[in-house]
Amino acid sequence: QKEVEQDPGPLSVPEGAIVSLNCTYSNSAFQYFMWYRQYSRKGPELLMYTYSSGNKEDGRFTAQVDKSSKYISLFIRDSQPSDSATYLCAMRAYSGAGSYQLTFGKGTKLSVIP
Amino acid sequence: DAGVTQSPTHLIKTRGQQVTLRCSPISGHKSVSWYQQVLGQGPQFIFQYYEKEERGRGNFPDRFSARQFPNYSSELNVNALLLGDSALYLCASSLSPGQGKNYGYTFGSGTRLTVV
Repeated sequence: QKEVEQDPGPLSVPEGAIVSLNCTYSNSAFQYFMWYRQYSRKGPELLMYTYSSGNKEDGRFTAQVDKSSKYISLFIRDSQPSDSATYLCAMRAYSGAGSYQLTFGKGTKLSVIP
Repeated sequence: DAGVTQSPTHLIKTRGQQVTLRCSPISGHKSVSWYQQVLGQGPQFIFQYYEKEERGRGNFPDRFSARQFPNYSSELNVNALLLGDSALYLCASSLSPGQGKNYGYTFGSGTRLTVV
């Protein structure tokens, strides 16, 4: 079983739809939870981060963490064609000797159709 | 402010050859991490450096090595290239290993390596 599981999609939605992206994880050592957006041929760009269980909102984006279920979500409201990208969940753990590493999901490819 | 700069952007190498990839972190950032992203997969951690010392290493063979220079730039070296090394190699920078922007890291656009 992989440490982080994410449905790769692809996911296709009409413009204006609410998008729900999800990841599950198995490592209880993960402390910080992030969502990155990656456009084709570009590096990942940090969208949201959360630490504790609960919701965090930033504009059209809401990140949700449920540590008891080891489940995180990203919701995108009023989706736009410019939101079309691959969305990666990432989780950070302390790996010893002053090192922190991110463990990523496979990424979900999202297309928002005008 | 300039972001994380990686060079070259694209590279084609033959099996068995060696390759060096370069990364310049954001000004003021002292930690650099390297990730490998194979097509269709999420990035996978290779190395983390801080103040010129290796602080962490992922599950990669010894063919992979890296170093960080006094100006905090970094190089990733891969020897005896295999077809499976074809990937996007990403560099991420942060102030320190645990103090990335919002606890994540700022990534460069990567170097796309193709091994033929």
